[in-house]
Amino acid sequence: GQSLEQPSEVTAVEGAIVQINCTYQTSGFYGLSWYQQHDGGAPTFLSYNALDGLEETGRFSSFLSRSDSYGYLLLQELQMKDSASYFCAVRVPDQGGKLIFGQGTELSVKP
Amino acid sequence: NAGVTQTPKFQVLKTGQSMTLQCAQDMNHEYMSWYRQDPGMGLRLIHYSVGAGITDQGEVPNGYNVSRSTTEDFPLRLLSAAPSQTSVYFCASSYEGQGAPHYEQYFGPGTRLTVT
Repeated sequence: GQSLEQPSEVTAVEGAIVQINCTYQTSGFYGLSWYQQHDGGAPTFLSYNALDGLEETGRFSSFLSRSDSYGYLLLQELQMKDSASYFCAVRVPDQGGKLIFGQGTELSVKP
Repeated sequence: NAGVTQTPKFQVLKTGQSMTLQCAQDMNHEYMSWYRQDPGMGLRLIHYSVGAGITDQGEVPNGYNVSRSTTEDFPLRLLSAAPSQTSVYFCASSYEGQGAPHYEQYFGPGTRLTVT
């Protein structure tokens, strides 16, 4: 089967740094994406890693280790507006290169 | 540029009724897909399309039909609604290359469906 594991919830304080981990077990791998979703609204794309290493986009960074089937999303200088659900998603070769989503991590940022 | 739009936003159906969820995008994306999101389950792919006239099944296609007559529109039809289809439905679109979706997908606002 194909599965992604990520923590169900994480709590952090404003201004802190938080890391959300994602491990995956899939048949084939094109890359790892991260999406943010506020209160059941539309998921929005944050980042994508196809190769090993760190990708940085402003306060957000994403890391991938293909040999470990592992990635993480790093959020720095946390703000209240970062409170949301974060999904990792692996792009696999089958079914048109579909995205397989993890169950999501609910991040709560406290003052 | 409206992006991806979905109608209706909310819908209540009785078991056995049929209905169509509408999805449209104005970004000229070739790839479109439908997901359902259930609590604690993430998003699961129902059906997808790599271009007008081409559709295929995703992970959970049973009970749903799709068609793609234009690049812009990708409606999802529930044939005979069941309580197990109570969920939030998201439509998404992206560029497509060599039959695969671009990694950045654009999602619509969702349709919240309840089947009683």
